[in-house]
Amino acid sequence: EVQLVESGGGLVQPGRSLKLSCVASGFTFSNYGMNWIRQAPGKGLEWVAYISSGSSYIYYAETVKGRFTISRDNAKNTLYLQMTSLRSEDTALYYCARQNYAHVMDAWGQGASVTVSS
Amino acid sequence: DIQMTQSPASLSASLGETVTIQCQASEDIYSGLAWYQQKPGKSPQLLIYGASSLQDGVPSRFSGSGSGTQYSLKISSMQTEDEGVYFCQQGLKYPLTFGSGTKLEIK
Repeated sequence: EVQLVESGGGLVQPGRSLKLSCVASGFTFSNYGMNWIRQAPGKGLEWVAYISSGSSYIYYAETVKGRFTISRDNAKNTLYLQMTSLRSEDTALYYCARQNYAHVMDAWGQGASVTVSS
Repeated sequence: DIQMTQSPASLSASLGETVTIQCQASEDIYSGLAWYQQKPGKSPQLLIYGASSLQDGVPSRFSGSGSGTQYSLKISSMQTEDEGVYFCQQGLKYPLTFGSGTKLEIK
């Protein structure tokens, strides 16, 4: 069974940093591109970042470019999102999601909640 | 960026009714379109990819169609478990973009 389990969320002050992790199991992690997608409370889905299977290709949404860094450790089956200079508008549930060949997300984690507030 | 315009924002349907949700892209996305269902408090689940391919395990009452800039999701016979929010997403270019969602409820 494919599983994605996020961790590392929490309450953080504006301007501070936080690092999310997503541990994958049930599939060959190193074969898949991965994404972070977020959902602000009561809002829709916003794609945040993508990393290819071997980390050769990385893309970011303009809203987080320069502040967030996506990375992965295939030996540990783990995806990361380092978030710096956090703003109130970054408050959201952050999902990691596996990407299939059609550039769609065919497996999602349960989400990690990030609240940016003083 | 490719903008995805989804309609309607909400609708209610009776059990057994056929439901259609629309999604329009701001440019041709060459069938690079997916549909997701999100139930309250849960993660989104992939229903359709490539505009019309049914994801494994998804009931056959769900179907997708369209081409170019216009796409639709159809539920052929509304069931209680189909309540939730539905999102479209284009997979042609980064940044990947989603529609704003359609909230579907039982009438």
